[in-house]
Amino acid sequence: EPEVTQTPSHQVTQMGQEVILRCVPISNHLYFYWYRQILGQKVEFLVSFYNNEISEKSEIFDDQFSVERPDGSNFTLKIRSTKLEDSAMYFCASRDNLNTEAFFGQGTRLTVV
Amino acid sequence: SQQGEEDPQALSIQEGENATMNCSYKTSINNLQWYRQNSGRGLVHLILIRSNEREKHSGRLRVTLDTSKKSSSLLITASRAADTASYFCATEMTTDSWGKFQFGAGTQVVVTP
Repeated sequence: EPEVTQTPSHQVTQMGQEVILRCVPISNHLYFYWYRQILGQKVEFLVSFYNNEISEKSEIFDDQFSVERPDGSNFTLKIRSTKLEDSAMYFCASRDNLNTEAFFGQGTRLTVV
Repeated sequence: SQQGEEDPQALSIQEGENATMNCSYKTSINNLQWYRQNSGRGLVHLILIRSNEREKHSGRLRVTLDTSKKSSSLLITASRAADTASYFCATEMTTDSWGKFQFGAGTQVVVTP
């Protein structure tokens, strides 16, 4: 069964460093998302991406964040200068159309020290 | 306002029993999706139910949707120890053009052998 894959599964980084979280969505999907879950809290929406551009972003998704789909298969989330409060599990999701199932990856646990 | 709130927050049952958890939401939705998350892991898609549907089944899972009450329920029948996980509902609101979800805080289910 097709699945969304995310790498790395765990990343530890120093405060102020840049990190790139990688995702390979399901191949025929058109809508892509990043969510995050701070330990013990709800899963929160960060950004949606369609037709090679950001379609919607939350207040969390400030200038430190960016997304890219560089080659038609990968979908990346970059955090330019990480803060301690960026420590969370980051999930990538994809779906083939609106109002259909959205499939999530296994997540990348980001720890900022 | 909070969208997609589950109750109970925690549920402890014996193997073989049924587990029922509920999700309430505040604004009109296109669909509601249920996900399972094993401790610290990824979000596994269980069932999607659209606003024009009232009930869906998948194996031991049964989901209902009552749009007049703005609520959904997830029933796991004949539970197993492997069903131990957190269960989340995620709503896609009609006002959202790009299909983002709002997640509830989840119901933590523990099934003891």
